[in-house]
Amino acid sequence: GAVVSQHPSRVICKSGTSVKIECRSLDFQATTMFWYRQFPKQSLMLMATSNEGSKATYEQGVEKDKFLINHASLTLSTLTVTSAHPEDSSFYICSARAHKWGDEQYFGPGTRLTVT
Amino acid sequence: QKEVEQNSGPLSVPEGAIASLNCTYSDRVSQSFFWYRQYSGKSPELIMSIYSNGDKEDGRFTAQLNKASQYVSLLIRDSQPSDSATYLCAPFTLSYSSGSARQLTFGSGTQLTVLP
Repeated sequence: GAVVSQHPSRVICKSGTSVKIECRSLDFQATTMFWYRQFPKQSLMLMATSNEGSKATYEQGVEKDKFLINHASLTLSTLTVTSAHPEDSSFYICSARAHKWGDEQYFGPGTRLTVT
Repeated sequence: QKEVEQNSGPLSVPEGAIASLNCTYSDRVSQSFFWYRQYSGKSPELIMSIYSNGDKEDGRFTAQLNKASQYVSLLIRDSQPSDSATYLCAPFTLSYSSGSARQLTFGSGTQLTVLP
């Protein structure tokens, strides 16, 4: 149990374009999903928290108009990086939590974004 | 003061030895504590959770929690080269970057190398 998938695993895009990353909970219904970003040699930084059917809650310093999050169902959340720039190149990781597991969170395999 | 502090390492131990990883946290009312393992270029994997003071053992891993001292540790017995990774301490804590929301707050991680 507790399998989280992400797609794509790697993406390269040109500066100014938008990229959509999908996060799915495969064998459970995720009450809450989280999006993190990790730069090389640094720790995970939470970007936003989303609950199904609600607007995402963004962390301080994260531009909500640039990083669009949609949590359309209990098994799917998407992150769209709009008008991507080279400084957005990073490792984006989602995680999911279910009520039955309390505070435990399970991570997807991550998406490595490179903006050229 | 950082919300979660870990020795960044690198920590090197010989194969078969005990590796000891330490973590302190600032939120006095945290109730849930997690250890994640992250291999280079991969996403974090949950390896231990602990909720009560004392020790919790799972195979070669033992988590220790002392809420009065705001201290949590992870011991890895009979360390193997495959244990070489970064270990992230993550209490479920009050995060100052998101107002009053409680969430997993990650330390910067301790890099462990097990030498054959």
